Amino acid sequence: RKEVEQDPGPFNVPEGATVAFNCTYSNSASQSFFWYRQDCRKEPKLLMSVYSSGNEDGRFTAQLNRASQYISLLIRDSKLSDSATYLCVVNIGSGGYNKLIFGAGTRLAVHP
Amino acid sequence: DGGITQSPKYLFRKEGQNVTLSCEQNLNHDAMYWYRQDPGQGLRLIYYSQIVNDFQKGDIAEGYSVSREKKESFPLTVTSAQKNPTAFYLCASSKQDGKGLGSPLHFGNGTRLTVT
Repeated sequence: RKEVEQDPGPFNVPEGATVAFNCTYSNSASQSFFWYRQDCRKEPKLLMSVYSSGNEDGRFTAQLNRASQYISLLIRDSKLSDSATYLCVVNIGSGGYNKLIFGAGTRLAVHP
Repeated sequence: DGGITQSPKYLFRKEGQNVTLSCEQNLNHDAMYWYRQDPGQGLRLIYYSQIVNDFQKGDIAEGYSVSREKKESFPLTVTSAQKNPTAFYLCASSKQDGKGLGSPLHFGNGTRLTVT
């Protein structure tokens, strides 16, 4: 089993739709989680950090389920500019030191 | 503005040549990382450094070498021993979080290496 697994997509949705991505992880000791956005041929950019049960920032909501070892990202009212690949990242480090494991990403395409 | 600078953006080399990718940060971060990304795949960790003059191998360190002589700089050398060096290379840095929660990574804009 991969340490971090994501549905590769693509998710093709119309503008205004709500879309959710799931990410499962294998290390039950993981303490922190991140969602990154990556545009084609660019570097990943931090979208959201999750340290407890979840986080919300505008149209974006992340929820963490430690018992089932998954983290989700919900995007409401999708915009064309949301089209990108979304990377789920799990920190399996300890003692304040990072060891971040990246999922392969879920591709989102928002169309008019 | 603080950030991470990678250079060059594009790099072309002949097979059998060593090549060094530059990474400089002025965020005063202790930890720095090198990742490799291949098309359709997630980022894979090559090397990381938590403090000056110390670094550890990541998951795919074979054929690569690094140094960390200064806090701001973490160059990566792709040696001729790396079997498939053509890829997108990303450098990142992060704070060391004394609370044990982990900190997000800040990425440079990457170097696209092509070896022919």
